[in-house]
Amino acid sequence: KAGVTQTPRYLIKTRGQQVTLSCSPISGHRSVSWYQQTPGQGLQFLFEYFSETQRNKGNFPGRFSGRQFSNSRSEMNVSTLELGDSALYLCASSLAELADYNEQFFGPGTRLTVL
Amino acid sequence: AQSVAQPEDQVNVAEGNPLTVKCTYSVSGNPYLFWYVQYPNRGLQFLLKYITGDNLVKGSYGFEAEFNKSQTSFHLKKPSALVSDSALYFCAVRTILTGGGNKLTFGTGTQLKVEL
Repeated sequence: KAGVTQTPRYLIKTRGQQVTLSCSPISGHRSVSWYQQTPGQGLQFLFEYFSETQRNKGNFPGRFSGRQFSNSRSEMNVSTLELGDSALYLCASSLAELADYNEQFFGPGTRLTVL
Repeated sequence: AQSVAQPEDQVNVAEGNPLTVKCTYSVSGNPYLFWYVQYPNRGLQFLLKYITGDNLVKGSYGFEAEFNKSQTSFHLKKPSALVSDSALYFCAVRTILTGGGNKLTFGTGTQLKVEL
C-alpha cells in the first residue's frame, strides 16, 4: 500500500507570495491533518480535515487555509508569505472516525523556504 | 490542556547497550500516547502507541515503551541499540477534540546518537 505523498518536496518563495502544498493520503484514509515543524516551535498542529470538512484548526493566522477533496486528497494554502513561515510542512492521514485511536501516518513533508 | 515533555534534548549511547528516551505526560482523562521517529529530511515514522491494556507496549524495529500511570511516564526503550537508530524521537499525546476529530501534541524531541 502506498504511503502518504506530498508535493512538492521543496519550495522556495519570496515574501508576500502565496503557496499551495498538496497531500495524498493512504488509500482508504479519510482524515488528513497538517503540521508545521520549525526548529523554534517544534511540531504544531495546523488543521484536520475529514470528509471534505475542516473539523479542527490550530492556533495559526487566517493566512493558513486548507481544503479536502472528495478523494480525500488535501491541499493547504499560505497567503502573503512571511519569513517565519519557512518550515517543514507535514501531512498525516489516518483511518479516522469519531474518538479515533488509530495512529497517524506521515508523509515526507514539504520544505518551504521563504526569502 | 494535554501535553508531553521530553526532558533530554540529546541521548548518547554505545552500540549494543540498552537505550531509554524519556517522556512524561500531563492529560485529563485517559492518555493516548505515541512514539514517532524522524530521520533527516524525512517525515515522522510511527513506532508504537499506548491506548489501554498492558503497560509494556512493543513496537517496530525492536522498540518498546513502558507506560507508568503513577509516574505519568511513557519511556521508550530498546534492549540493544544500533547505529542506525540514531535519529530524532518524538513523544506525542492524542487529544480528542470537540469537533469529533483529534490532533497530536508533540514533545520537543530527543536526538538519539548511537556510537560505535
